[in-house]
Amino acid sequence: SQQGEEDPQALSIQEGENATMNCSYKTSINNLQWYRQNSGRGLVHLILIRSNEREKHSGRLRVTLDTSKKSSSLLITASRAADTASYFCASGGDDKIIFGKGTRLHILP
Amino acid sequence: DAGVIQSPRHEVTEMGQEVTLRCKPISGHDYLFWYRQTMMRGLELLIYFNNNVPIDDSGMPEDRFSAKMPNASFSTLKIQPSEPRDSAVYFCASSSTGGEQFFGPGTRLTVL
Repeated sequence: SQQGEEDPQALSIQEGENATMNCSYKTSINNLQWYRQNSGRGLVHLILIRSNEREKHSGRLRVTLDTSKKSSSLLITASRAADTASYFCASGGDDKIIFGKGTRLHILP
Repeated sequence: DAGVIQSPRHEVTEMGQEVTLRCKPISGHDYLFWYRQTMMRGLELLIYFNNNVPIDDSGMPEDRFSAKMPNASFSTLKIQPSEPRDSAVYFCASSSTGGEQFFGPGTRLTVL
């Protein structure tokens, strides 16, 4: 069964705007990760946030984690055409993680 | 490091045939994962190994699927006999304990 559920399923925004994707999960976790997948490729790790952290930044990425609500969000600022991809959250322990079905992000020129 | 290597990249076979997918993890990683991705079911964890030992195979769909990891640098996922519903992209990933997973490019399997 899926541990994480992303929202929205699909998102189209203009280049330069910010994109926000949300993720909810069901059980207790040690960490939550976000991955990106370009069409026809494997997944690429973006950022990992541990259960004792509330916010983390990496370049144009900002991730928040609310363990009381079992939810996380990924913010991409100043979007670019190259950000067009599917984004997945993955939650779990230090070994096994379970992926959601992803958000398809399309950046419009 | 070349990253996670998977072969073949594409496989087309007929129903009933045996299919073997191969994976070489990143050197030094102690975890190896096999995933299947379809439009309908998303990315599913099939099985994962720690130090070459299978830890959780609860995601393996049925007895037609089997996976082995004879040493730290090689793993196989076998489907015998294959069925059309097995058509999917199969990913292998590796990681160190508690770390990010590194994915291979995937094997696109089509069973006719």
